[in-house]
Amino acid sequence: EVHLVESGGGLVQPGGSLRLSCAASGFSFSNEWMHWVRQGPAKGLVWVSQISADGTNTAYADSVKGRFTISRDNANNTLYLQMNSLRVEDTAVYYCARALGDWGQGTLVTVSS
Amino acid sequence: QAVVTQEPSLTVSPGGTVTLTCGSSTGAVTSGHTPYWFQQKPGQAPRTLIYVTNNKQSWTPARFSGSLLGGKGALTLSGAQPEDEADYYCSLSYSGTWVFGGGTKLTVL
Repeated sequence: EVHLVESGGGLVQPGGSLRLSCAASGFSFSNEWMHWVRQGPAKGLVWVSQISADGTNTAYADSVKGRFTISRDNANNTLYLQMNSLRVEDTAVYYCARALGDWGQGTLVTVSS
Repeated sequence: QAVVTQEPSLTVSPGGTVTLTCGSSTGAVTSGHTPYWFQQKPGQAPRTLIYVTNNKQSWTPARFSGSLLGGKGALTLSGAQPEDEADYYCSLSYSGTWVFGGGTKLTVL
């Protein structure tokens, strides 16, 4: 059974940084593209970023490009999202997803002073 | 960046049929956009129903089907059940990036 568990969310001031993690199990992590998707309060889903199975190809939504970095550790079955220069509008639940087919339960990031 | 459009809300009667659509600001939706469909109930994480236009996950009820219809991606629910009341999102791929639609709130009433 696929299991994805996000962590690392919390309260941070504007301009601050956070690193999210997603621990994966139940599938061959090193063979799968992975995504981050976020959902603001009472809002819809927004795609954030994706990374190829070997980590060499990445892509970002325009809204986070240059501020967020996706990475992975295939030896430890973990996906990351480094978030810098955080803005109030980055406040959201952040989900990791395996090839957009399986989803974690999300971790809440709140950017507020 | 492309904009993906969905009906904001739809209502279907129990046992009825409804089609949700997923349009693209760039033109017709094709299989190359690899449409996905997701269901989300209040307080829950999204769950993927359909991937790459018309493929079902193992948990996807048979009453859901995906297709391309009139230049849009489409999710058809045949024989709606009360438990199908939820928000539905589609996503489309654009040269290595993805865009989600704004979601359709489906009411079964």
